Order: sequence, then C-alpha cells, then structure tokens
Amino acid sequence: IVLTQSPGTLSLSPGERANFSCRASQTASSNYLAWYQQKPGQAPRLLIYGAFFRVNGIPDRFSGSGSGTDFTLTINRLEPEDFAVYYCQHYDKSSLYAFGQGTKLEIK
Amino acid sequence: EEQLVESGGGLVQPGGSLRLSCAASGLSVSDYYMNWVRQAPGKGLEWVSVLYSGGSAYYADSVKGRFTISRDNSENTLYLQMNSLGVDDAAVYYCARMRGAFDVWGQGTVVTVSS
Repeated sequence: IVLTQSPGTLSLSPGERANFSCRASQTASSNYLAWYQQKPGQAPRLLIYGAFFRVNGIPDRFSGSGSGTDFTLTINRLEPEDFAVYYCQHYDKSSLYAFGQGTKLEIK
Repeated sequence: EEQLVESGGGLVQPGGSLRLSCAASGLSVSDYYMNWVRQAPGKGLEWVSVLYSGGSAYYADSVKGRFTISRDNSENTLYLQMNSLGVDDAAVYYCARMRGAFDVWGQGTVVTVSS
C-alpha cells in the first residue's frame, strides 16, 4: 500500500481549521491508520491511531476520520504550536509500515 | 517513564559499516515489535526494519540484505547493523516501539555517509 498525502503544504492562520488528506493506493484497514506530528529537530509524535483514536494527552481539537482508501486528520482552531509536518502511516506488515510523504502546515 | 535512546551514529565512508544501538528504559524491547525508521535530510519518514517479539524480522526493500536488526534482552537494547552503506543511507535513524502504532520514539542518531 502506498500512501499519498495532500496537500504538500497547507498555509493557514491560527484559529482556522486544517484538513489533511491521506489516500491509500488500495483499501487499507482503518485499524492500522495512524497520524504523527513532527516539529523541526524532534522525533515524530503519535497523535491518532486506528484512524480515529486520539492518544492520551492529545488535545481534542485533533480528530481522525475515514475508511477504505481515504483518511483525514482535522485540527480545529489551530494553535501556534500546531504548525509542523504531519504524516500518516499504515502500520501493518502488509504495507511494510509505510508512511505518507508528509504535509507541512505553515503559518499564513 | 518509557524511553528509547539511540547511539552509534557518525561519519562513515561509502561501503562502510556501522552499528546503531537503541537502549530502552521503562519498557522491555523483547515484549514489543521494535522498529527502526529513518529520515534523510529534508525528507520524510522511511520505515527501515521491524523485529517482532517472537523474533521474526522484516526489512524495507532498500536495505534488505545489507541491514540486520537484532536485540539483546539482557541489555534491553535494540540494534541495527548496517553494512555496505551508501550515500542514500545518510539520515537520522530513530528507533520506535510499536504498541498499536509507533507510540514511543527515541531522539534519533545521525548517520553521515561521505568520503
């Protein structure tokens, strides 16, 4: 399974809503779809797993949705600390734990 | 606190070898699926290898036959032996625990491949 994220870059202002798309080349089990946030010089941080489930401590403005081949990460009411790069991943051996290429969220 | 700390990165010549270590605390590497993920400068995340708790190992096609993942349960440490290194292998290498998704990551160790 190849994951394609869009857009490559998202330019938004604090307070706005961000939608990140992750499209799989074939049907992907939502049980194994995750989203990560990565800030410069830091390791990735797990936000969402199983397509929908938020990790403990992640603010509820972050939400995941989707099934089949189309998955979405939504961030409501952007905060300054949310500007980072976001990756989706299908964490299953069948897809060799593939990551998408990432979407950069930048301040407009 | 669950923590992973990588080490062993550095400068190596093309064709050379390097062994990375990932020391775990607060978790046992033998209990989980443990992974290596790399990130070339300015690029995205690339999964490299996984070692299952049962001992099975899998590799990305880009490193198969050159890299070997292993662990030392007594040292609670995960390793990545990297041979025949090329310039495309230059990256920050992270180890990550898979519990559900990749929920615990180390800070990374930098591998530079240059003559």
